[in-house]
Order: sequence, then C-alpha cells, then structure tokens
Amino acid sequence: QSALTQPASVSGSPGQSITISCTGTSSDVGGYGYVSWYQQHPGKAPKLMIYEVSNRPSGVSTRFSGSKSGNTASLTISGLQAEDEADYYCSSYTTSTTLVFGGGTKLTVL
Amino acid sequence: QVQLQQSGPGLVKPSQTLSLTCAISGDSVSSNSATWHWIRQSPSRGLEWLGRTYYRSKWYYDYAVSVKSRIIISPDTSKNQFSLQLNSVTPEDTALYYCARAGAFNYYTMDVWGQGTTVTVSS
Repeated sequence: QSALTQPASVSGSPGQSITISCTGTSSDVGGYGYVSWYQQHPGKAPKLMIYEVSNRPSGVSTRFSGSKSGNTASLTISGLQAEDEADYYCSSYTTSTTLVFGGGTKLTVL
Repeated sequence: QVQLQQSGPGLVKPSQTLSLTCAISGDSVSSNSATWHWIRQSPSRGLEWLGRTYYRSKWYYDYAVSVKSRIIISPDTSKNQFSLQLNSVTPEDTALYYCARAGAFNYYTMDVWGQGTTVTVSS
C-alpha cells in the first residue's frame, strides 16, 4: 500500500488561508469516506483535527475544514495563526482493511 | 478519559525481536466499540500504520503488507493492554512507535495516542 501523496511543505501569512492536498486512489481516499487529518507539533503525538473527510472533533477550531473530490482530500486552514505551524498528515482506510498515511506536510506560518 | 501508556526497551539488536506494550486506562481492550493500533514514525517513512486488533465476539487482526510476515499484535485482557512484536528487526525499523485507539468516531480514526517510544535498532 503506497503512502498518500501530500505536498512536502506549504506556507502562509497570519490571517491567510492555506489548503493541503492528499491524493490517493479509488482503493483508499476515493473509495471511502474515512479520511482523517492529524496535526503534529514537534515532540508531540499527532492530534486528530478532521475525521470522515469533513467532521471536526469537539474542541477543534472551526478554522479547520476538510473536503474531498475524487481521489483527493483537502484540509483548509483559514485565518492562519502562529500556533497552526506544525506538520499535518492525512490518513485513509483502504480496500485491504488497512490504513495508510500521507507523507506529511510541513506548514510554515510566515 | 482514555489514556494509553507505552512501555518497552528503546534499544534492540539487529535480527532480534522488538516488543512494546500499551496499557489502557479508561477503556477496555475487549471493547466492542474500539480498535487498537500500532503506528511508527521515522524521518524516511513519515507515519506508517503497522496494524490493529479488535474484539467483536472474537479477536481480529489486520496488518500492513510491509510488515505482515514479521508482526504480531496481541491483546492481554487480564492486564487490559495490547502488545507489539516485530521480529527480525533491521536498522530500518528504527523509529518512534505509537499505540493508538480508534473508536470515538469510527474504527479507522485514531482519537487517542500513546506518548510514543523511540526504538533504535543497533548492535
């Protein structure tokens, strides 16, 4: 199972919006509604930000939103804040009853 | 509040077996509404899902193809924990290993993570 494809890095200025893409295949992202997004700060465990493509757990800012089109899922962060600077990973359920992660995207807030 | 506490050695010799344990508090490894996962992270591979176990009248196991021939995930109901065994390790297995639970939202979204254990494979 190949890792999902994410851009290595994205950047934005405070207050701006950014979008991180996560591209898979019809056997994972495109075939199921189980795409999740995780935020990871240095030295910390990943934190769930989005589940089932577009749902936010309680306590996650409404500035974080998710969507999917075909085999590509996206995470959008609006009103960028300094504390959003972190690594972001997507994951998806696959036809092999396994899970697969994206390679990760480093977000820099300029 | 569900918490996961990992334990195990941080150094393993090549060709030997890596063994880690994840103790669960606030939930049950036998829960019918949760699945229990092992994930690792390295600079070269990023986050890599290794496998999971869960109980639905019987125990089920799913493993990543990349480690399927070398991995065993075992639940221990008496201690409310689950373990990872990875056999025949090489330096490529050097990574930060996490246990995690999926269950608050669905069986494929990790909502609780352990603190992580750094494992180095070296002689």
